[in-house]
Amino acid sequence: DAGVTQSPTHLIKTRGQQVTLRCSPKSGHDTVSWYQQALGQGPQFIFQYYEEEERQRGNFPDRFSGHQFPNYSSELNVNALLLGDSALYLCASSFGQGTEKLFFGSGTQLSVL
Amino acid sequence: GESVGLHLPTLSVQEGDNSIINCAYSNSASDYFIWYKQESGKGPQFIIDIRSNMDKRQGQRVTVLLNKTVKHLSLQIAATQPGDSAVYFCAESVGAGNMLTFGGGTRLMVKP
Repeated sequence: DAGVTQSPTHLIKTRGQQVTLRCSPKSGHDTVSWYQQALGQGPQFIFQYYEEEERQRGNFPDRFSGHQFPNYSSELNVNALLLGDSALYLCASSFGQGTEKLFFGSGTQLSVL
Repeated sequence: GESVGLHLPTLSVQEGDNSIINCAYSNSASDYFIWYKQESGKGPQFIIDIRSNMDKRQGQRVTVLLNKTVKHLSLQIAATQPGDSAVYFCAESVGAGNMLTFGGGTRLMVKP
């Protein structure tokens, strides 16, 4: 039973570029949440997708957008990258929008130069 | 290399001792709390959770205590092992279906 898988594991971009990160939820899960984790800090909630719609959103600008596909996988898109967007981006999955026992992937380490 | 854990409070314990990691949460409306363990290069791993209608919950070698009066959460690890070395985060939510708000984390170092 595969857990939450994310790709790529590492990514280097330059300021102003756009990036797409991908996530496949744990088998049996239908809800995907994205978190940003800056170095030395706890993860911060970006948004949650359920039934292919954004259901909740944290305090992140519109440059951050996402998508959920019919197979429950998800993408996180960030436009007009800033140096401050450098972080570990974590995908988490659950069943039915719950945060109980949220399962996290290993993340994508994004470096913006 | 380290992807998390720099500049975090650190708790250093001897192998076999008990560890207590503390967390102060901010939202008095929070009613669901989780402890996560994060090792270098990995995502957070669920340890134990507790709802606000409880003040204690036990798992295998771990116990979570909740004091709603002072908005304090603690994680107790019995007989700490080298494999317990990691960064530990508490997280809270208002309703289990809502977003998690994470605390700043504590690095646990276990000395053999």
